[in-house]
Amino acid sequence: NAGVTQTPKFRVLKTGQSMTLLCAQDMNHEYMYWYRQDPGMGLRLIHYSVGEGTTAKGEVPDGYNVSRLKKQNFLLGLESAAPSQTSVYFCASKKQGLRRQSYNEQFFGPGTRLTVL
Amino acid sequence: AQSVTQLGSHVSVSEGALVLLRCNYSSSVPPYLFWYVQYPNQGLQLLLKYTSAATLVKGINGFEAEFKKSETSFHLTKPSAHMSDAAEYFCAVSDMYSGGGADGLTFGKGTHLIIQP
Repeated sequence: NAGVTQTPKFRVLKTGQSMTLLCAQDMNHEYMYWYRQDPGMGLRLIHYSVGEGTTAKGEVPDGYNVSRLKKQNFLLGLESAAPSQTSVYFCASKKQGLRRQSYNEQFFGPGTRLTVL
Repeated sequence: AQSVTQLGSHVSVSEGALVLLRCNYSSSVPPYLFWYVQYPNQGLQLLLKYTSAATLVKGINGFEAEFKKSETSFHLTKPSAHMSDAAEYFCAVSDMYSGGGADGLTFGKGTHLIIQP
């Protein structure tokens, strides 16, 4: 199993450009998440999805959109990139289980390093 | 709302010495607690988790953590540091009754562990 994969690994954008980050997982997990990591800030939740066709906002959703058309994929879009969106983006997934189980661990991808000039 | 505080953005220990990374949490309901490790240019890997089964939790690579409700703490320890332990460590919390089914993690800002030879 590949686990959680992210595409691309690196990207440089100019202010105002758009792009889509792709996250894929092959573990049949129901829950998927997008985080951003900034120096001294830890990881902050951008958006999440509890199943195919459903998404919701996290802590820092402004400037981002997401879609989950297929269970295994979770896309993060930047419509008009800004320098403040320079960050490392991590995708994660988690198994839901037979009942709500907050203690199931989240599995993380290797990250996408995005620079917006 | 839940929060996590990690004392010390950088901790330096000598090889073979005790490692102690501090984590305090704030949650109005019983929490689930996690420690993740991030090696340079990689994603996050789960070290250990507390899910109310036992207050002393053993993880991978010789790490362990003790949940102390009275102190709202979940400090990470390792008896003898190894050069390979040099990494960024994150404490995270997820409460048992997260609204919306997200079960998203709230992370601390991280502690960079430096191992001196």
